[in-house]
Amino acid sequence: GDSVTQMEGPVTLSEEAFLTINCTYTATGYPSLFWYVQYPGEGLQLLLKATKADDKGSNKGFEATYRKETTSFHLEKGSVQVSDSAVYFCALILTGGYQKVTFGTGTKLQVIP
Amino acid sequence: NAGVMQNPRHLVRRRGQEARLRCSPMKGHSHVYWYRQLPEEGLKFMVYLQKENIIDESGMPKERFSAEFPKEGPSILRIQQVVRGDSAAYFCASSPTFAKNTGELFFGEGSRLTVL
Repeated sequence: GDSVTQMEGPVTLSEEAFLTINCTYTATGYPSLFWYVQYPGEGLQLLLKATKADDKGSNKGFEATYRKETTSFHLEKGSVQVSDSAVYFCALILTGGYQKVTFGTGTKLQVIP
Repeated sequence: NAGVMQNPRHLVRRRGQEARLRCSPMKGHSHVYWYRQLPEEGLKFMVYLQKENIIDESGMPKERFSAEFPKEGPSILRIQQVVRGDSAAYFCASSPTFAKNTGELFFGEGSRLTVL
């Protein structure tokens, strides 16, 4: 079946450090890929998305590039802030299907001043 | 507040009791999804509903769990005879009527069930 694998957390970084959270996927079709973010005590919010190979999604300084050849969608940010502390979920949805999103297990990021 | 509304935010039940979780989707959304987040785990799909129809319940446990989305009123996730393993955060999400598979779900803040 379809699945998403993320690097395990927690990830602890100092403020202004570079962030990478790895994500790889397995899908029977041609998926669209997403990153969602969950701040403490809240629901998930869509952070960015990419719908086809080589697309780059970006938002709030975060970026991720859809790499079909490596089936990856790694999340990056050049300089993290304390306010970025949250749990980040990689996710996919198959093109042509309904909105059944498959999530990874989430990676907790803690940014310390 | 025009977002997805879930209640209660926190619910405590003793083993064997029933839990009812409610979800009102965003205005204009007629598709509702329920996900469960167990401690230290990701979100697991449970069920997808449209008004008066269950479209996909492949993630629902076979027993004790049921969901509905009536023509009027909120969607309800019902857990009968709760056990400690049901303790989790239950998230509801909604999407627009004609979402065309954008993958963008709008989540509520979740209902956290604790079973004593």
